[in-house]
Amino acid sequence: DTAVSQTPKYLVTQMGNDKSIKCEQNLGHDTMYWYKQDSKKFLKIMFSYNNKELIINETVPNRFSPKSPDKAHLNLHINSLELGDSAVYFCASSQGRGGDTFGSGTRLTVV
Amino acid sequence: GENVEQHPSTLSVQEGDSAVIKCTYSDSASNYFPWYKQELGKGPQLIIDIRSNVGEKKDQRIAVTLNKTAKHFSLHITETQPEDSAVYFCAGECRAGTALIFGKGTTLSVSS
Repeated sequence: DTAVSQTPKYLVTQMGNDKSIKCEQNLGHDTMYWYKQDSKKFLKIMFSYNNKELIINETVPNRFSPKSPDKAHLNLHINSLELGDSAVYFCASSQGRGGDTFGSGTRLTVV
Repeated sequence: GENVEQHPSTLSVQEGDSAVIKCTYSDSASNYFPWYKQELGKGPQLIIDIRSNVGEKKDQRIAVTLNKTAKHFSLHITETQPEDSAVYFCAGECRAGTALIFGKGTTLSVSS
């Protein structure tokens, strides 16, 4: 199936831990994104990568570090997790400025 | 930067009725306006989009209109069905051609 796939689907962890979310797209798109959706369903861009190069970093704390080993992958590493990081994180990709294709999301719960 | 406002936040209609969701944007340089449908537990899915050189676009029961002068665009769903129940998001471009800025979403409920 052609898609944006992210793992894990659920992540429950304690405050202070470090965790990673992986994302892969097989659509051949040149741009990948991380979005955060809070408890009120508000979707906000965090990062945008074009061909492995960081394009957008929307005032996200330094504890969040995206890494793009190639244009098909964009992983998100989070250090020193805080309660406020609890949210659903979506990976997405697009070709040029077309519609973003979203993954199914990772629900992160920090306890 | 771009700011996108979306109304209403909730919308309840009877099956077969029409539903209209409206959005306004702030950046006159924005040229691309997609609409997404998000079902419970899933990621947003693109349902229709419009570019600034077009005033209206239709795909079966779904249509989008764009008024560039007034900087607003709307989603129209006709003959609504219970499976149309979901959260709908409008979006506009951030910094012309990069990421999307989303409205706050509209929860549409279609009752049979």
